Amino acid sequence: NAGVMQNPRHLVRRRGQEARLRCSPMKGHSHVYWYRQLPEEGLKFMVYLQKENIIDESGMPKERFSAEFPKEGPSILRIQQVVRGDSAAYFCASSPVRSGQGNEQFFGPGTRLTVL
Amino acid sequence: AQTVTQSQPEMSVQEAETVTLSCTYDTSENNYYLFWYKQPPSRQMILVIRQEAYKQQNATENRFSVNFQKAAKSFSLKISDSQLGDTAMYFCAFMRAAGNKLTFGGGTRVLVKP
Repeated sequence: NAGVMQNPRHLVRRRGQEARLRCSPMKGHSHVYWYRQLPEEGLKFMVYLQKENIIDESGMPKERFSAEFPKEGPSILRIQQVVRGDSAAYFCASSPVRSGQGNEQFFGPGTRLTVL
Repeated sequence: AQTVTQSQPEMSVQEAETVTLSCTYDTSENNYYLFWYKQPPSRQMILVIRQEAYKQQNATENRFSVNFQKAAKSFSLKISDSQLGDTAMYFCAFMRAAGNKLTFGGGTRVLVKP
C-alpha cells in the first residue's frame, strides 16, 4: 500500500505565476488535510477536505489560495499570483476516517515551493 | 484557540544517552489528543507517539515515552538510548477530540552525537 504521494517535490515559480500542488492520499483514504511549513517553523493547518467537499478551510488565506478534492483524481492546492511569502513546504496528509478521536493522519513527503 | 509551545529550539545528546523534550499547550478542552512527530532531514513527518488526554497512563513506544501532566498542560518526550537515526526535528501537536486538525509547536531540533 503506497503512502501519501505528493508532486512535484520541488516547484519553482516566479512572482505572479500560479502554483498547483497535487496530493494522492493513501488507498482507501477519503479525508485529506493540507498544512504549510514556513522555514524554521512548525506546520500550520490550512484546509480539510473530503471527496468533493471542503469541510474546514479556517487556515486558508482569504485570497489567492484554493483547494479541491474531486471525486476522481488527486487533491489540488492552487496558489494564484504567487508572492515570495508563499515560499514554504506544503504537506498533505490523509486518513481513512475523519481524524477526530485521535485517528492518525498519514503525511506525504511535502512539496517545497520556491518563489523567485 | 489552542496553542502549543516548545521552549527548546535545539538540543544535543550523546549516543546511547537520554534526552527529554518539553512541550506545553493551552486549551479549554477536556478531551483531546497529543502527539509527537519526528521530521528527519528528508522532511517526512513520522508519528512517534500518541497520548489520549483521558488516559492517565503515559504512552510508551519502544525507546520513546511521554510524561503527560494534564493539570499542568505539559507533555514531554523522553528518548532513551539515543541513536544517530534519532537526529531530527521533533514537533509536539494537539488535536481536539471532536476536531480534525493538528496544531503544532515550533519544533525542537535534536542532534545525536557519536
